[in-house]
Amino acid sequence: EPEVTQTPSHQVTQMGQEVILRCVPISNHLYFYWYRQILGQKVEFLVSFYNNEISEKSEIFDDQFSVERPDGSNFTLKIRSTKLEDSAMYFCASIARLALTGELFFGEGSRLTVL
Amino acid sequence: DQQVKQNSPSLSVQEGRISILNCDYTNSMFDYFLWYKKYPAEGPTFLISISSIKDKNEDGRFTVFLNKSAKHLSLHIVPSQPGDSAVYFCAASGGFGNEKLTFGTGTRLTIIP
Repeated sequence: EPEVTQTPSHQVTQMGQEVILRCVPISNHLYFYWYRQILGQKVEFLVSFYNNEISEKSEIFDDQFSVERPDGSNFTLKIRSTKLEDSAMYFCASIARLALTGELFFGEGSRLTVL
Repeated sequence: DQQVKQNSPSLSVQEGRISILNCDYTNSMFDYFLWYKKYPAEGPTFLISISSIKDKNEDGRFTVFLNKSAKHLSLHIVPSQPGDSAVYFCAASGGFGNEKLTFGTGTRLTIIP
């Protein structure tokens, strides 16, 4: 069964450092997303990406965040200068464009710990 | 701005009984409603969805009910099994072309053997 894969599963970094989280979406999917979940809180939308550009972003997704699809398979989230409050689980998700149900397929997440 | 709310943070149900998880929403533009199940340290897994034009959708042990006038949906699991113990998130989307999901805060379901 095709799945969304994410690396690393856990990253520990110092405040102010740059972090790149990587995702390989399901191969025939065309819409890509990043969500995050701070411990004990709800899953929050960060950004959606389609046709090599951001289609929507939340207030959380400020200038410190960027996304990129550098090749045909990877989808990355970069945080330029991490803050303590960036510590969270980051989930990548994808959807086939013609899926009408809104069902997103999520990866297992990358846990980011900022010290 | 909590557009999707799950007012019960936790629920305990005896194995074999019915589990009912509730969700309320405020945005009438939502077109699809979904339930996701999440285990610790894993990503959310899709369970079942319902279109805003329907009031019920059933898939095996899982049934979702939608009451549009009350802006309320519920997930029924019957019979409940120990493997159902997880956090359940209600989510809503704008449907085709607007698949961004807005999640509720989740309900931790514990099935007691």
